[in-house]
Amino acid sequence: QVQLVQSGAEVKKPGASVKVSCKASGYTFTSYGISWVRQAPGQGLEWMGWISAYNGNTNYAQKLQGRVTMTTDTSTSTAYMELRSLRSDDTAVYYCARDSTFGGVIGFDYWGQGTLVTVSS
Amino acid sequence: DIQMTQSPSSLSASVGDRVTITCRASQSISSYLNWYQQKPGKAPKLLIYAASSLQSGVPSRFSGSGSGTDFTLTISSLQPEDFATYYCQQSYSTPPFFGQGTKLEIK
Repeated sequence: QVQLVQSGAEVKKPGASVKVSCKASGYTFTSYGISWVRQAPGQGLEWMGWISAYNGNTNYAQKLQGRVTMTTDTSTSTAYMELRSLRSDDTAVYYCARDSTFGGVIGFDYWGQGTLVTVSS
Repeated sequence: DIQMTQSPSSLSASVGDRVTITCRASQSISSYLNWYQQKPGKAPKLLIYAASSLQSGVPSRFSGSGSGTDFTLTISSLQPEDFATYYCQQSYSTPPFFGQGTKLEIK
C-alpha cells in the first residue's frame, strides 16, 4: 500500500534551517511528483511547492522563493524539504503529499502524517 | 493567482442532515477543483477530484458539482465520522490554492 512517512518533530531557533524528509513506499517513486503543504496552528492549508521525482524539476510558492529547497533521493525514494532563515510564523505542521493526475486534474491522493516544526527562541 | 473562497466558514448540523458547502474561484477553473476532508490532528484526505469524481473508497453520500467559478460539496446524510473541516482546492494553475476551510460541527 502507498505510504509517505515523514521525519519527526523539530524545534528550531529563529534564523536556523530545518530539513524534513518524506519516505515513499508502495509505488514507483519516480512516476509521481511530491508537493509540500503546511498548516500553521489553527489555520488552513498552504501549498509550498512541488518537485518532480522523475527529473527533479521544482516549482515553489512565490512567498517562499529563496528560502525553500525541495530535493529527492531516488535511491531511497525519499523527498526532502529544507526551509532556511526560519521565523516564528514558519511554525506549522508540514505535510508531503503525492501528486496524482486524474484525467488531467492534479490532486493530492496520499499524504504523509505531518511534521511539526516549532520556531522559538 | 486564483483565489478560492468557501462558504460558510463554519456550519452546525445534525446526524442525518443534508449539508452543502460552497466554493467560489476568483476566475474560471473549468472543472479543476478538488475537495479534501481533514480531521483534527490528521492529514487531509482527498474526497472529490475534477469537481465531481469520487475518490476511491469515499462513501457515496459525498458528491461534488459545478464548473467554471462555482462549486459545491454535498453530504447527503451526515454520519458521525463526517464532522471535520473541508477544503476546496483549485488545480487549474500554480499556485494550487486552497479555500480557507469549512468547519462542520455537531449541532
